[in-house]
Amino acid sequence: GQQLNQSPQSMFIQEGEDVSMNCTSSSIFNTWLWYKQDPGEGPVLLIALYKAGELTSNGRLTAQFGITRKDSFLNISASIPSDVGIYFCAGRSTGNQFYFGTGTSLTVIP
Amino acid sequence: NAGVTQTPKFRILKIGQSMTLQCTQDMNHNYMYWYRQDPGMGLKLIYYSVGAGITDKGEVPNGYNVSRSTTEDFPLRLELAAPSQTSVYFCASKRGGNTEAFFGQGTRLTVV
Repeated sequence: GQQLNQSPQSMFIQEGEDVSMNCTSSSIFNTWLWYKQDPGEGPVLLIALYKAGELTSNGRLTAQFGITRKDSFLNISASIPSDVGIYFCAGRSTGNQFYFGTGTSLTVIP
Repeated sequence: NAGVTQTPKFRILKIGQSMTLQCTQDMNHNYMYWYRQDPGMGLKLIYYSVGAGITDKGEVPNGYNVSRSTTEDFPLRLELAAPSQTSVYFCASKRGGNTEAFFGQGTRLTVV
C-alpha cells in the first residue's frame, strides 16, 4: 500500500507554544485530511484539503496541501491542554482508499 | 445525530472463535470502510465498499470477510480469530467523490 511518512512521531510542548507537523508521500494525492484521535475514541476530522496549494484554517489550526501534491502540514497556534491527542494525516489518490500516516502524539504541558 | 455506530465496544475472543463486528451509518453514505489500528500505528484498511452489493479488499484483508447488503450496514466478520487480530477496529463512511470520511468510536478486540 501507499506509505505516508508523518513527523514528528511525538511532541512535548509548553502550553501557549505553536506546533507544526507534516506528512509526506511517495505518491501524488488528490485529497489530504487531518484527523485528531483522543484516547478510546475514533478519529475526528479537523481539516480537509482538496486542491494543491490550498491553505485552510479551522480556528487555531491551519493546514496546507503541498504544491507537489506529495505533502501536507498542520499547524496549531497557541496550544492549550485540550490539544493533547494523536494527530493523523490521511491521503487519497485516484482510488477510493484513504491511507493514513502513523500519527503524531502531542502532549501539552500546562 | 448517530453518525457511524459500531458494536460492540469491547470484546475478548478465544483463538479459533468467530465473531461479527457491526457497523451502521444513518447518513446515507455510499462509501464505507473498515480499518484496524495497532498500538502506536496508523490505520490500515481491511475492506471497503462503494455501495450496497459491492466490496473490495484493502491493504490487510486476510482473515476477514465483509458484506454490504444495505447502504446502512457494513459488518466485518472474523471466522477463525488469531492473536494477530488483536487490535482496535474502526468503521468509517463517506458520501462519495471528494468528501471526507467520518469514523465510529471503535471496537477493541483482544484474541487470547
